[in-house]
Amino acid sequence: KQEVTQIPAALSVPEGENLVLNCSFTDSAIYNLQWFRQDPGKGLTSLLLIQSSQREQTSGRLNASLDKSSGRSTLYIAASQPGDSATYLCAVRSISQGGSEKLVFGKGMKLTVNP
Amino acid sequence: SQTIHQWPATLVQPVGSPLSLECTVEGTSNPNLYWYRQAAGRGLQLLFYSVGIGQISSEVPQNLSASRPQDRQFILSSKKLLLSDSGFYLCAWRGTATIYFGEGSWLTVV
Repeated sequence: KQEVTQIPAALSVPEGENLVLNCSFTDSAIYNLQWFRQDPGKGLTSLLLIQSSQREQTSGRLNASLDKSSGRSTLYIAASQPGDSATYLCAVRSISQGGSEKLVFGKGMKLTVNP
Repeated sequence: SQTIHQWPATLVQPVGSPLSLECTVEGTSNPNLYWYRQAAGRGLQLLFYSVGIGQISSEVPQNLSASRPQDRQFILSSKKLLLSDSGFYLCAWRGTATIYFGEGSWLTVV
């Protein structure tokens, strides 16, 4: 059974710091991994998707890496800003028992960037 | 471009009353559709997913049901709500790889 873990559950940093958010998963047989952002009371916004054959993806100040063999992904946020404050979730897409696809989420990491 | 609509945004319902949350997707055809619930401190839980009209898979036994009467319409229902059904419900669809979420529906059962 796939399990996705994000540690720590919360992080508070001053503005301008470069950040690394961690995500680990137990079953390396995945199709892809996706990072999301969620603002309070809102839906999830997709940030980056990494296919299982890829090592990293970049979008602006965000860079996500994937090490499938070790079951880890990191989301790097450069020069953090107060507007980056949100909950960040990672999710892996894999095949569950019975052949159905499944997207398994971590519980998220609440990031606060202080001005 | 593709968009996903979900309503109502907020709902307060008494225990034992019925529920209907609706989700529609525009700009794509034959999407995979999902219903998730997000409860405080518990992360996102997949409730149902559908790969086509009338094809519904349930991930967990519960007091809820789902239907897909049209290609781009996904409905979450309950005949009698329980207090434990309170939570934030999210509809999502998947394109070739990326999954996209609606804005969510807050359900409070009182």
